[in-house]
Amino acid sequence: SAVISQKPSRDICQRGTSLTIQCQVDSQVTMMFWYRQQPGQSLTLIATANQGSEATYESGFVIDKFPISRPNLTFSTLTVSNMSPEDSSIYLCSVDARATDTQYFGPGTRLTVL
Amino acid sequence: GNSVTQMEGPVTLSEEAFLTINCTYTATGYPSLFWYVQYPGEGLQLLLKATKADDKGSNKGFEATYRKETTSFHLEKGSVQVSDSAVYFCALMPGGGADGLTFGKGTHLIIQP
Repeated sequence: SAVISQKPSRDICQRGTSLTIQCQVDSQVTMMFWYRQQPGQSLTLIATANQGSEATYESGFVIDKFPISRPNLTFSTLTVSNMSPEDSSIYLCSVDARATDTQYFGPGTRLTVL
Repeated sequence: GNSVTQMEGPVTLSEEAFLTINCTYTATGYPSLFWYVQYPGEGLQLLLKATKADDKGSNKGFEATYRKETTSFHLEKGSVQVSDSAVYFCALMPGGGADGLTFGKGTHLIIQP
């Protein structure tokens, strides 16, 4: 498996502001994923981030709202832009461990928007 | 598209009871199937997985068998403990491993002493 860390672990933000969430992995991985878990709900895939290419977004998620960077094989960021209370969720990154077709998850970032 | 349906909770059992959490899926091709667990206050952990038909995944006394004919991946445990109280998510990854996971809605399991 991989050791994955996320920063911040939680934050409380004001409506209309933006927050950038960092995801760091202890080994090089090809694919990283970002998910959202709304309160009491399941996880929904936001986008897939590959190093050196644009992120691929799922239906209902757009780059202007959730810009993603993937500058190298161990790091990615997700920005939640122009936040509203509906963006209050846990945001998780995951990585596809090499050659195992299995995803491991970071601890998540709990975001509250007031 | 892909989808996962699992029984809604909460499911409340007494300690040492037998557990089954149903999970069925819809997918094209041959997906890999997973159970993840989220303990109170903790992150999402992989519990077990199966990558092809008739495979059985197992871990910590939990088991699930990939049944292609019924498109199911039910989670079972013979004797549950209080420490098994958590939310359990069934998920699939499309064949090829290049895509994200599709999750079910999660089942909240409560084990009473």
